[in-house]
Amino acid sequence: NAGVTQTPKFQVLKTGQSMTLQCAQDMNHNSMYWYRQDPGMGLRLIYYSASEGTTDKGEVPNGYNVSRLNKREFSLRLESAAPSQTSVYFCASSEGYGGGTQPQHFGDGTRLSIL
Amino acid sequence: EDKVVQSPLSLVVHEGDTVTLNCSYEVTNFRSLLWYKQEKKAPTFLFMLTSSGIEKKSGRLSSILDKKELFSILNITATQTGDSAVYLCAVRWVSAGGTSYGKLTFGQGTILTVHP
Repeated sequence: NAGVTQTPKFQVLKTGQSMTLQCAQDMNHNSMYWYRQDPGMGLRLIYYSASEGTTDKGEVPNGYNVSRLNKREFSLRLESAAPSQTSVYFCASSEGYGGGTQPQHFGDGTRLSIL
Repeated sequence: EDKVVQSPLSLVVHEGDTVTLNCSYEVTNFRSLLWYKQEKKAPTFLFMLTSSGIEKKSGRLSSILDKKELFSILNITATQTGDSAVYLCAVRWVSAGGTSYGKLTFGQGTILTVHP
């Protein structure tokens, strides 16, 4: 039972490069999320998708874009990476539309360093 | 401003000790409070609390919510080295007059270290 799968696990980029973080879940969840985790700041919501075909901004969306490709997959794109985007990125999913009342389940994270 | 504050930020104990982790919150239209355990990778779900005064238990872990005083505690009894982790508190809330989506706001986490 894979749950939430994120790729890649690690990535090093140069300032200005672009890349896409991939996330897929096999739990048939409607809602998916992208967070970043920085030391001493907990997890902060970047973007979320309350259901297939919808996306919306979270707390820290600047510098990112997302695509809900289908019900299973939700990708996060950095168009022009900046050192301030160095972080650990987590994808999560949950049952129910619009976040629902169920807990979120997390992937193992992508550790991204931008030089 | 909506916020979730955890205390202490770090805690070092010995096996067998009992620990209490705290989470206080100020959010608009509270819906639920969740506790997660994070070891090296993904946060894993522990408890979700929606009602005051009802204790949730799972083995040596238990948690309770006080919606009047706006806080929750997570207790771990007879700690083991495997309990060493970051414990995250998150609050689901809905913005006043906004969408019905329930956003999660996380606290900074409490780093628990259990020595043999």
